[in-house]
Amino acid sequence: AQSVTQLDSHVSVSEGTPVLLRCNYSSSYSPSLFWYVQHPNKGLQLLLKYTSAATLVKGINGFEAEFKKSETSFHLTKPSAHMSDAAEYFCVVNRRDYKLSFGAGTTVTVRA
Amino acid sequence: DVKVTQSSRYLVKRTGEKVFLECVQDMDHENMFWYRQDPGLGLRLIYFSYDVKMKEKGDIPEGYSVSREKKERFSLILESASTNQTSMYLCASRTPYNEQFFGPGTRLTVL
Repeated sequence: AQSVTQLDSHVSVSEGTPVLLRCNYSSSYSPSLFWYVQHPNKGLQLLLKYTSAATLVKGINGFEAEFKKSETSFHLTKPSAHMSDAAEYFCVVNRRDYKLSFGAGTTVTVRA
Repeated sequence: DVKVTQSSRYLVKRTGEKVFLECVQDMDHENMFWYRQDPGLGLRLIYFSYDVKMKEKGDIPEGYSVSREKKERFSLILESASTNQTSMYLCASRTPYNEQFFGPGTRLTVL
């Protein structure tokens, strides 16, 4: 079965410093992977997706993620955090039946 | 841009009431989904619909039913609301490229 594990439930960074959100996946075939962001009291917004083209995927708002098959990881990074990055982030893998499996989420806090 | 709207942002109901949550998408997508979101559990799939009048149970369908009479509208029904159905409910529609677009959510409280 396809699943994802987000290794940190909460990440706190200072404004202007790098952000790293870690995600490991489990899949019996080459997966599609996604990162979604949810700002307070809002729905989920697609940040980026990996679909077996380039292993380094660039998304919106300066985020990027690298697919590493050998490590079964899909970590999300941003070089310089902004206050508006405070949100909850979900790592997601597609299943064979086109449904999605969501990680438990990582809450990001940005300190001024 | 895809737009997915949900009928209510906040809803308070009593135990045993019948509850309808409505979702509308404007991009002619065939596939639509209902999830519930609870802290520490991420999103869990309740039901999905792959076309008009076609539906399939997700991972946690117990206590819920759905209706899809028109392509743009997908309704989630709680036949007899219970306190353990207090949650955030999110609707989504899917593009042919397997991207899901979400509505803003309905926060349901069952007293």
